[in-house]
Amino acid sequence: DTEVTQTPKHLVMGMTNKKSLKCEQHMGHRAMYWYKQKAKKPPELMFVYSYEKLSINESVPSRFSPECPNSSLLNLHLHALQPEDSALYLCASSRQERSTDTQYFGPGTRLTVL
Amino acid sequence: DQQVKQNSPSLSVQEGRISILNCDYTNSMFDYFLWYKKYPAEGPTFLISISSIKDKNEDGRFTVFLNKSAKHLSLHIVPSQPGDSAVYFCAASAGRNSGNTPLVFGKGTRLSVIA
Repeated sequence: DTEVTQTPKHLVMGMTNKKSLKCEQHMGHRAMYWYKQKAKKPPELMFVYSYEKLSINESVPSRFSPECPNSSLLNLHLHALQPEDSALYLCASSRQERSTDTQYFGPGTRLTVL
Repeated sequence: DQQVKQNSPSLSVQEGRISILNCDYTNSMFDYFLWYKKYPAEGPTFLISISSIKDKNEDGRFTVFLNKSAKHLSLHIVPSQPGDSAVYFCAASAGRNSGNTPLVFGKGTRLSVIA
């Protein structure tokens, strides 16, 4: 089983709203990732968590706040987003944060910021 | 500067024939390469990978070839099926002993398999 689940599938929010994206995996993976993908572009890495600790933050604006409450869950808290933040947000996990560990992706959350 | 390049944005192939998708990279420290397939509005699905110590990896209809000296890899799909129609992303990463580069994706190639 290589399933990563994400909720919600779609989210529409205003610029003053606060919302959260959720990601879950039960593969025992200890590395989890958030990516952002705009239309016709490749996924871009935002954050990496390794053993529930933030390992990489790719200079993401503070209006995006990640959280890893336990080894199976990864959240992305959103606050005061801009319309240009509208994108597909992808979560991924891998056994560990090693280059040779395959990352498995969830289906994504399609976010629209009005 | 794009470290992983897929120079063909699209490719059309007849059903039953071979599809060849190409990928070039510039970072010689990359030591792991993957191909993902993506349908619209879905996350990328892992297809096949290859370590830099190998030059070929095969899984069913999918074969990935790596030419380290040319910094080039390719994905062969044979025979191609209509269900293979999707966007294919090449991705590469480097480990902690090689600069620790997280996964970097190419821009993707849209494959259309015509029945």
